[in-house]
Amino acid sequence: QQPVQSPQAVILREGEDAVINCSSSKALYSVHWYRQKHGEAPVFLMILLKGGEQKGHEKISASFNEKKQQSSLYLTASQLSYSGTYFCGTFGSSNTGKLIFGQGTTLQVKP
Amino acid sequence: NAGVMQNPRHLVRRRGQEARLRCSPMKGHSHVYWYRQLPEEGLKFMVYLQKENIIDESGMPKERFSAEFPKEGPSILRIQQVVRGDSAAYFCASSPPGTSINTQYFGPGTRLTVL
Repeated sequence: QQPVQSPQAVILREGEDAVINCSSSKALYSVHWYRQKHGEAPVFLMILLKGGEQKGHEKISASFNEKKQQSSLYLTASQLSYSGTYFCGTFGSSNTGKLIFGQGTTLQVKP
Repeated sequence: NAGVMQNPRHLVRRRGQEARLRCSPMKGHSHVYWYRQLPEEGLKFMVYLQKENIIDESGMPKERFSAEFPKEGPSILRIQQVVRGDSAAYFCASSPPGTSINTQYFGPGTRLTVL
């Protein structure tokens, strides 16, 4: 079952913060976050494997709440380069290698 | 270390022709995945392969589509008798051997246009 992302779109000014949520009706085994710029390949951001785990990459961090079956991506002090579509991908309860992606959240950062 | 390579980057076919998309995984990677992305939509899983084996093809259309990852050479996604609805970006991803929860790294994609 496809995870649900919210919001669908966000418009920010440089330096503002944003949160993108990813939730599933099924138990989550892991959550993978990617960013895709228009016409380009998805680029891996981070993977979260454990309940309650948090990870960070520069000013982008994420949390994974296994009980709530939800992950959130936090973008702090956004930069123009953060613009793109963010996808979360999940494996569900089994380890099959088949990533099911959410519908994506489009982020636009303006100067 | 070269990333995932896909060719061609752009492919134009007329209805009824065959399309062959190639994917060379990152060096040392033995797991290959194919995803399809329709315009303005998300990524849809198609198939997961290891060398000479199809592990999961639950996302592949039942007809006209096939995939292989031979012992030597790239992985091939083959679409026979293409139709306009096959127009999409096809991305290949790879991950290293071991557990399949390893990070999947995507190639630049092949953009297929069916006239």
